[in-house]
Amino acid sequence: DTEVTQTPKHLVMGMTNKKSLKCEQHMGHRAMYWYKQKAKKPPELMFVYSYEKLSINESVPSRFSPECPNSSLLNLHLHALQPEDSALYLCASSRTAVRESNSPLHFGNGTRLTVT
Amino acid sequence: SQQGEEDPQALSIQEGENATMNCSYKTSINNLQWYRQNSGRGLVHLILIRSNEREKHSGRLRVTLDTSKKSSSLLITASRAADTASYFCATAGGYGNKLVFGAGTILRVKS
Repeated sequence: DTEVTQTPKHLVMGMTNKKSLKCEQHMGHRAMYWYKQKAKKPPELMFVYSYEKLSINESVPSRFSPECPNSSLLNLHLHALQPEDSALYLCASSRTAVRESNSPLHFGNGTRLTVT
Repeated sequence: SQQGEEDPQALSIQEGENATMNCSYKTSINNLQWYRQNSGRGLVHLILIRSNEREKHSGRLRVTLDTSKKSSSLLITASRAADTASYFCATAGGYGNKLVFGAGTILRVKS
């Protein structure tokens, strides 16, 4: 079991759909992350939020839109995705941002996204 | 782009044997971390070693860090079938406020 909860576990969407991925943690962590992972590859960083402010956007296409409503929640809004966006989307949190301390990341179990 | 390279890419051993995985990286770091990922699941943090540390132990895990060679190794002793997973090293500090993962090693422990 993980302390970072991601919903839904699986999502199938068409290229014209709008959907959202949700992530929640109640560990009091102040940094939250979205990673994208393709099969047999390492996770690739997409976004970092630190103290509820977007601190890193790894040149992610605008069809992915992150949102951090409060310190416990992180959303990823999806619109007009392409089939190549199909992947496992992982949310993670850490006590503070990576640069500030040696705190490890706690990952959720991910959302398996399929774009048709 | 990926920070670290890991070898081997895949490792198959018998239960009870030791497994060693290596990680190399390119820039200066604040710390290096190892994570495990079971198939289709999230990553689980195993151990963190700071740049001023050379060796660290946690249960059956032993991690070494050689900053002069920009490399680290993860040793799992007395492996179990449940250790079957992908193992990733990740570095913090070389790329600012983020953790960058290596390519990973797929470990299979046969019972």
